[in-house]
Amino acid sequence: SAVISQKPSRDICQRGTSLTIQCQVDSQVTMMFWYRQQPGQSLTLIATANQGSEATYESGFVIDKFPISRPNLTFSTLTVSNMSPEDSSIYLCSVGSSGGTNEQFFGPGTRLTVL
Amino acid sequence: QKEVEQDPGPLSVPEGAIVSLNCTYSNSAFQYFMWYRQYSRKGPELLMYTYSSGNKEDGRFTAQVDKSSKYISLFIRDSQPSDSATYLCAMGRYGNKLVFGAGTILRVKS
Repeated sequence: SAVISQKPSRDICQRGTSLTIQCQVDSQVTMMFWYRQQPGQSLTLIATANQGSEATYESGFVIDKFPISRPNLTFSTLTVSNMSPEDSSIYLCSVGSSGGTNEQFFGPGTRLTVL
Repeated sequence: QKEVEQDPGPLSVPEGAIVSLNCTYSNSAFQYFMWYRQYSRKGPELLMYTYSSGNKEDGRFTAQVDKSSKYISLFIRDSQPSDSATYLCAMGRYGNKLVFGAGTILRVKS
């Protein structure tokens, strides 16, 4: 499986600011995903990021709040814009399997606290 | 009704016990079934992957899928304190997003 890294691993931010989270994969992948995991909760898909096309957002998530870039097949960024304390969460990127199955492999996550 | 239901626990067992973790689902179109293990402050790690119905074994772990009952299970034999984690079931159709259960917190006491 691919090795996935995320930066930063954690951050504490002020209300109203923005944070960009980076996701780097050690091999080329077609599909990358961004999830949010709020304390004690399961994973909620924010959007699917495919190289060369616009990200596809899930219901309840909008591009103005969570802009995503996917400049190549090994890298993606998620920005959390105009943050509020409700955005405090763990943000995870994942990559789809290259084997034609539905497996996903996750990065270590970014723990965000908004004050 | 949620698409995937999973008892959040916590489930507390003594070391060496057999652990049974379960999920039920409502969408009969799901074809792929996965179990992830998530340690505190870490990302989910894929443990088991199953396509359609049947059993799959990997060491101390066995995954079962019963599509007729829309029920999946993960069994852990000879549980160890290092198995203490949150276990998430996930499922989906090919080319579609995964749907995750709420996760079950497992504590194995030494």
